Amino acid sequence: DAMVIQNPRYQVTQFGKPVTLSCSQTLNHNVMYWYQQKSSQAPKLLFHYYDKDFNNEADTPDNFQSRRPNTSFCFLDIRSPGLGDAAMYLCATSRDSTGTAFFGQGTRLTVV
Amino acid sequence: EDKVVQSPLSLVVHEGDTVTLNCSYEVTNFRSLLWYKQEKKAPTFLFMLTSSGIEKKSGRLSSILDKKELFSILNITATQTGDSAVYLCAETFRRGGSQGNLIFGKGTKLSVKP
Repeated sequence: DAMVIQNPRYQVTQFGKPVTLSCSQTLNHNVMYWYQQKSSQAPKLLFHYYDKDFNNEADTPDNFQSRRPNTSFCFLDIRSPGLGDAAMYLCATSRDSTGTAFFGQGTRLTVV
Repeated sequence: EDKVVQSPLSLVVHEGDTVTLNCSYEVTNFRSLLWYKQEKKAPTFLFMLTSSGIEKKSGRLSSILDKKELFSILNITATQTGDSAVYLCAETFRRGGSQGNLIFGKGTKLSVKP
């Protein structure tokens, strides 16, 4: 059974039109991560939550926001997607800051 | 400057070969080192290493950490075409208070030819 679930698997959005990607987990993990992965590159951490504590990476554009309304759900909001934001977005969770991260299947975002 | 450096970036071998993938990392606030396999979807977990010199094995895959020299290797013996994937190394480290972080290397793309 999937433990980290991302929806949708594929998302097409228009240039500049806000889009939200979702992630849910059944593991009751404290930490949830959002990564951006472009073709042939390593996943790049955008931000993570430790419980309700939000941690933004210094080089994450302001265009990217996140919400974690409860333990199980985390959302990635892209306020004004540009063509350069087309990528695979990966959500991951870990029990704590030392633990193994488990990934969802990812959402592939296309910007047209 | 990259915190996690993997080498080689790509590798082509034939079935039955043994391969060694390398990962070096920074020591600051190190917690653990993780290996993942990524095919056309999300990374799947292989190993977590926290102690130096203790080999972890899973079938034909094994990995070991050297905390003195700050590197890890992932070995795959008797490679099969199904081993073709990108292998990602990631470091977890403490950053501010009790919160951790997980940073990936660029990966090694392994292609196993029949």
